[in-house]
Amino acid sequence: AQSVTQLDSQVPVFEEAPVELRCNYSSSVSVYLFWYVQYPNQGLQLLLKYLSGSTLVESINGFEAEFNKSQTSFHLRKPSVHISDTAEYFCAVSDRGDYKLSFGAGTTVTVRA
Amino acid sequence: DGGITQSPKYLFRKEGQNVTLSCEQNLNHDAMYWYRQDPGQGLRLIYYSQIVNDFQKGDIAEGYSVSREKKESFPLTVTSAQKNPTAFYLCASRTGAGGNQPQHFGDGTRLSIL
Repeated sequence: AQSVTQLDSQVPVFEEAPVELRCNYSSSVSVYLFWYVQYPNQGLQLLLKYLSGSTLVESINGFEAEFNKSQTSFHLRKPSVHISDTAEYFCAVSDRGDYKLSFGAGTTVTVRA
Repeated sequence: DGGITQSPKYLFRKEGQNVTLSCEQNLNHDAMYWYRQDPGQGLRLIYYSQIVNDFQKGDIAEGYSVSREKKESFPLTVTSAQKNPTAFYLCASRTGAGGNQPQHFGDGTRLSIL
């Protein structure tokens, strides 16, 4: 099973500033990669996913993530955050052919005006 | 709208009591999952089921039990053997095999000890 490391547990950021959330996973075998977002007292919502093809994937609300196989990373970025981006973000990894996901410990993003 | 319904939203357990958390999905998904979420620890897998009448232990199955008698339902029982049950419990489902389909989540049940 994969081990997933999210390098920052808390990220405070000012509104309209850029943010980067770092995610590394343990194995370079073929994987599927996901970022989920969780708002307080809610379940997780899929933000974006990498399955194959272009290493840069984008979401509809301005987030993007880049798959780097050599560094086994899948960092999430947004060039300009809003107050509404305040949430907890989880990186998740699945080996191809596996029913299970391995999750990182999460990164709490707090956006301040 | 299709989705996953977890109930109740809040649940309180007395010492020595078993409690059951409900998870129902109308997405026609084959696989269902139960996770436990504790602050700073991410999500840990309790049990998962790939098909009806079959389920497997996850990483932290001790003190929990499940059943999968119907495709749309995957209830979780927190038994009295689980000595630290206070947590946020999330149910998820997914279609297909191979890992490339994302999991869809319910809104969770928060369990506390009385």
